[in-house]
Amino acid sequence: SAVISQKPSRDICQRGTSLTIQCQVDSQVTMMFWYRQQPGQSLTLIATANQGSEATYESGFVIDKFPISRPNLTFSTLTVSNMSPEDSSIYLCSVYRPGETQYFGPGTRLLVL
Amino acid sequence: GQQLNQSPQSMFIQEGEDVSMNCTSSSIFNTWLWYKQEPGEGPVLLIALYKAGELTSNGRLTAQFGITRKDSFLNISASIPSDVGIYFCAGPQNTGTASKLTFGTGTRLQVTL
Repeated sequence: SAVISQKPSRDICQRGTSLTIQCQVDSQVTMMFWYRQQPGQSLTLIATANQGSEATYESGFVIDKFPISRPNLTFSTLTVSNMSPEDSSIYLCSVYRPGETQYFGPGTRLLVL
Repeated sequence: GQQLNQSPQSMFIQEGEDVSMNCTSSSIFNTWLWYKQEPGEGPVLLIALYKAGELTSNGRLTAQFGITRKDSFLNISASIPSDVGIYFCAGPQNTGTASKLTFGTGTRLQVTL
């Protein structure tokens, strides 16, 4: 299993500002991902956080808006840049171990005013 | 892209009733996963299915991998109040592994006493 923590758990931000979300795993994992869950919606994959290299983004998501860092095998950050109210969502990190399953963090609830 | 549609969208049932929900896809999946998300939490894996026709149980939960590989069903027997939450099906995005996931639209379950 994997224990995942995220900081902050929630935040209220003003439009035009940026917020960096941290994801910490209790053990080394190869694969880490960032998902977005808009209000009342399902989860959508934003990107794969690659250790030591640039993240791999899914269609509709770009690095300038959602820069991601992955400095080691237990930590990653997602920044939501130049926020607008449409960015109000739950942002979740997840980890995957081959042969096991995908574990999710508790999420960061973001409200942009 | 791949789409997973779940039905029903929401359910209001009485404690003790059985629940059935399903998930259909426009394309074939080699793995089906069922997650539950409770308020304020990230999704937690309930059942994983790896073979067409497979029927797997986890306590009061039973899930089946459809023979066409384009659908899956989740049943909950004798529901209790703690079953409240959103149930998502999920499948891997074209990779054959449970890493990058596509999530279904979700079924919201409410249980009344």
